[in-house]
Amino acid sequence: KAGVTQTPRYLIKTRGQQVTLSCSPISGHRSVSWYQQTPGQGLQFLFEYFSETQRNKGNFPGRFSGRQFSNSRSEMNVSTLELGDSALYLCASSLVGRLNTEAFFGQGTRLTVV
Amino acid sequence: EDKVVQSPLSLVVHEGDTVTLNCSYEVTNFRSLLWYKQEKKAPTFLFMLTSSGIEKKSGRLSSILDKKELFSILNITATQTGDSAVYLCAVEAGGRLTGGGNKLTFGTGTQLKVEL
Repeated sequence: KAGVTQTPRYLIKTRGQQVTLSCSPISGHRSVSWYQQTPGQGLQFLFEYFSETQRNKGNFPGRFSGRQFSNSRSEMNVSTLELGDSALYLCASSLVGRLNTEAFFGQGTRLTVV
Repeated sequence: EDKVVQSPLSLVVHEGDTVTLNCSYEVTNFRSLLWYKQEKKAPTFLFMLTSSGIEKKSGRLSSILDKKELFSILNITATQTGDSAVYLCAVEAGGRLTGGGNKLTFGTGTQLKVEL
């Protein structure tokens, strides 16, 4: 079955602009999480959505927001881009249930802010 | 604040060597510890550990969790050049039994390079 799909794969934006990234989870997965990966900070949790509701949020400013649609697809939006937002943004999807299940990652979107 | 620390930061070994990667953690409401391998972009899942003392194995890779001492190790035996990657340890924390991906806290990873 298809894995987690993120689009676009690469993006170059100018400071001050905004950007929207998309993530389609594995079919049947209802939880979608977003992570930012930079060389200095490693992988950092942004937020998690389940059934169109944000369940968890990391320590990022309000410029970072997201949403989830009824088909579990998720979008992440960053407004007023800063140079420091340049990073690999990874999305992960997982099943939800009483047992712990692993998260599967997409290939990521490489965002460069100039 | 949840914290995951991995050591060593980087490691260079020769093919055939055995390596042990370490991961220690301090999190609230621990649910599971996961190991991922990241070669280029997408981290790929290796193991998920929830119970102490039970070793998980997959080929030349194995891992074990100690919930009392709050650490885990990942062993790779008979290393190959294809094992070269960043190995990430992540801990899942959460208050409800609602499945994976629930706020993973990652370590900074161990960069492993296997030379011929």
